[in-house]
Amino acid sequence: KQEVTQIPAALSVPEGENLVLNCSFTDSAIYNLQWFRQDPGKGLTSLLLIQSSQREQTSGRLNASLDKSSGRSTLYIAASQPGDSATYLCALIYGGATNKLIFGTGTLLAVQP
Amino acid sequence: ETGVTQSPTHLIKTRGQQVTLRCSSQSGHNTVSWYQQALGQGPQFIFQYYREEENGRGNFPPRFSGLQFPNYSSELNVNALELDDSALYLCASSGPWAAPTDTQYFGPGTRLTVL
Repeated sequence: KQEVTQIPAALSVPEGENLVLNCSFTDSAIYNLQWFRQDPGKGLTSLLLIQSSQREQTSGRLNASLDKSSGRSTLYIAASQPGDSATYLCALIYGGATNKLIFGTGTLLAVQP
Repeated sequence: ETGVTQSPTHLIKTRGQQVTLRCSSQSGHNTVSWYQQALGQGPQFIFQYYREEENGRGNFPPRFSGLQFPNYSSELNVNALELDDSALYLCASSGPWAAPTDTQYFGPGTRLTVL
């Protein structure tokens, strides 16, 4: 059974810091891994999607990496801003006939001005 | 904006009642998935519909059911509501095929409170 874990559960940093969010999974047979942002009480905004054949994806200040052999993905946020404060969720598509997403429990990020 | 809309935004029901939540997918997206997100948790997969047929189901009882219509709209129905059904319900569309490499686009969710 695939399990997805995110560490840390919560993180508070001062504005301007670079930071790394971690996502680990137990079975490397994944199709892709996606990072989402969720503002309080809101839906999910897709940030980056990494296909299983890729090692990393970049969008602006965000960089996501994927290491299937070790069952890990990281989301790197450069020069953090207060507007980055949100919950960050990783999710993967794993096997089966459906493209259902299996989510971690998220990391709650607070960037202090 | 993802182009995926959900209604209503918020809903309050009492135990034992029935509820219908609605989702409108992006045009051309033939796959819609529904997720339940309890407070402080990641979303959990309920089921998926592809071209109006159920295409996979998570660990949810039969009182959770769905419909998908040809006009890219869909419904999630929950019968005999229980207190634990209180959650944010999210729909996600992707397509045109139910391919594992497709990006899923989420709606803003419906917050259901069961009293």
